[in-house]
Amino acid sequence: ETGVTQTPRHLVMGMTNKKSLKCEQHLGHNAMYWYKQSAKKPLELMFVYNFKEQTENNSVPSRFSPECPNSSHLFLHLHTLQPEDSALYLCASSQSLIQGLYSNQPQHFGDGTRLSIL
Amino acid sequence: SQQGEEDPQALSIQEGENATMNCSYKTSINNLQWYRQNSGRGLVHLILIRSNEREKHSGRLRVTLDTSKKSSSLLITASRAADTASYFCATVKTGKLIFGQGTTLQVKP
Repeated sequence: ETGVTQTPRHLVMGMTNKKSLKCEQHLGHNAMYWYKQSAKKPLELMFVYNFKEQTENNSVPSRFSPECPNSSHLFLHLHTLQPEDSALYLCASSQSLIQGLYSNQPQHFGDGTRLSIL
Repeated sequence: SQQGEEDPQALSIQEGENATMNCSYKTSINNLQWYRQNSGRGLVHLILIRSNEREKHSGRLRVTLDTSKKSSSLLITASRAADTASYFCATVKTGKLIFGQGTTLQVKP
């Protein structure tokens, strides 16, 4: 049990569907992250939130829309996805960033949502 | 952009043997972290070594850092089948944690 829970664990959707991924952390952290993990590629940082404010959007296409209603919850809203978006989406949390920048706190990861786009 | 690169990409050993994985990086760092990922699971933080440290231990894990060569190594001693996983090094670049592609370790019983 890592303290970071992601739902659903698996998701299959068509390109025209709209779905949302959910992440919840019980660690009292104030920074939360979305990563994309594709086969044979390094982990890609997508979005960063610090105290509910977005501090990083790593040139992510607008078909991915994050939402952070509070420091414990993070969502990733999906619409009109492409086959190349099939991947494992990982959520992580850490202690708060300093001036919006990550430095050295360990990140705690959920087990991810395996997304398949038909 | 990729900051850390692990070597080898894949490693297969017998239970009881030691496993060594290497990580090279490009720019100066404040610290370097190692993470483990079991199949179908998220990443788990293993150890952090600061730039002014040369070696750090945690249980059967030993991490070294050579800032002059911009490299780090992770040694797992007396490996177990449960150590089978992917191992990633990560460094901070422009305020973001950047991961390498990882080393896939298989420990055969």
